[in-house]
Amino acid sequence: DVKVTQSSRYLVKRTGEKVFLECVQDMDHENMFWYRQDPGLGLRLIYFSYDVKMKEKGDIPEGYSVSREKKERFSLILESASTNQTSMYLCASSRGAWDTGELFFGEGSRLTVL
Amino acid sequence: GQNIDQPTEMTATEGAIVQINCTYQTSGFNGLFWYQQHAGEAPTFLSYNVLDGLEEKGRFSSFLSRSKGYSYLLLKELQMKDSASYLCAAPDYNQGGKLIFGQGTELSVKP
Repeated sequence: DVKVTQSSRYLVKRTGEKVFLECVQDMDHENMFWYRQDPGLGLRLIYFSYDVKMKEKGDIPEGYSVSREKKERFSLILESASTNQTSMYLCASSRGAWDTGELFFGEGSRLTVL
Repeated sequence: GQNIDQPTEMTATEGAIVQINCTYQTSGFNGLFWYQQHAGEAPTFLSYNVLDGLEEKGRFSSFLSRSKGYSYLLLKELQMKDSASYLCAAPDYNQGGKLIFGQGTELSVKP
């Protein structure tokens, strides 16, 4: 079975802190994604990557950056956390064509910024 | 532009059949996904329709009409464990094929 593991289930950070969210997948998937999920807004794509060192902006990249130095790992970075970044963050991976592949999601990281 | 619409919430009775609708307007079309998400858990894949018609997988079926920009998820013999959010999603080629999700339909199954 595909396993997508996110480093932290729950985090509490203060405004202005730098935050790292880590995601690791164990099935050699080419594509990895970071979404945030908010009530009433659904899942929104922040960034995705279709290869090592490659990244593409999603719908809401502002205030975020990503890093993919190894195929299995995709990190989301909040350079200076703000309260409006309080959310559930979901990492996902897929094989093959990144627009039509089945997504495998991690359990999510619930971030609260105070 | 892109738009995916689905009802916010639905309620159904255990043992019954429920149909969750999804309408989409995306630039280009290359399939439509349904995902299930239980509260506090990650979304999991249910189905992917590329061609018109109904695809059945046990108690769950998914239907697609490309000409109408319409899909539905049909759940038969509802069980309490089917209480979850059901997410409709499709790639939008005006945005490079990025997968766009609807807001999700929260289904409550009552005894």
